[in-house]
Amino acid sequence: DAGVIQSPRHEVTEMGQEVTLRCKPISGHDYLFWYRQTMMRGLELLIYFNNNVPIDDSGMPEDRFSAKMPNASFSTLKIQPSEPRDSAVYFCASSFFGPSGNSPLHFGNGTRLTVT
Amino acid sequence: GQQLNQSPQSMFIQEGEDVSMNCTSSSIFNTWLWYKQEPGEGPVLLIALYKAGELTSNGRLTAQFGITRKDSFLNISASIPSDVGIYFCAGEAAGNKLTFGGGTRVLVKP
Repeated sequence: DAGVIQSPRHEVTEMGQEVTLRCKPISGHDYLFWYRQTMMRGLELLIYFNNNVPIDDSGMPEDRFSAKMPNASFSTLKIQPSEPRDSAVYFCASSFFGPSGNSPLHFGNGTRLTVT
Repeated sequence: GQQLNQSPQSMFIQEGEDVSMNCTSSSIFNTWLWYKQEPGEGPVLLIALYKAGELTSNGRLTAQFGITRKDSFLNISASIPSDVGIYFCAGEAAGNKLTFGGGTRVLVKP
């Protein structure tokens, strides 16, 4: 089991550029989550998918953020255009069941995004 | 929304010491989880608690689900240098998503 795989590990970009973060969940996990971690706000849930369908995107900050899951083994989080305040570590996580604690999350190692 | 207050925000440990941290909420939770995050990595699940009053151990780690269902505690016994990291509590209310605490940063005493 390779765990949740995220790429890139680090991304540095200039304000206004498009950023795409990628995630491969653990095989067999039906749920995929995107979290953002900052010093000020901690871990925030942005969006989660069940069987490739977005279920709750209420945590997505604004229209500049979008996420897709074209198949069970791949998801992307896109920011267009990026802004300095988007700088954070973005985590992808997956689980067998829903977002509740009965099916604990398995996190990837994150993508550290810096927008200058 | 629901909030989890985790304390202390940071602590220094000396090898061999027992340390503890806790998480409190004004809301009732059905599940409590404790995660550890090391630099450059994602959080890793340490202990999951599903019943009020439950006491669960994982090696030198022990966590308890508070009787009121509004709090949880994590204890580390006989700490070692590799215990450094950030420890997060997370709670789940009925049918809701996980809410994470702000983390307790564990550091080694210089």
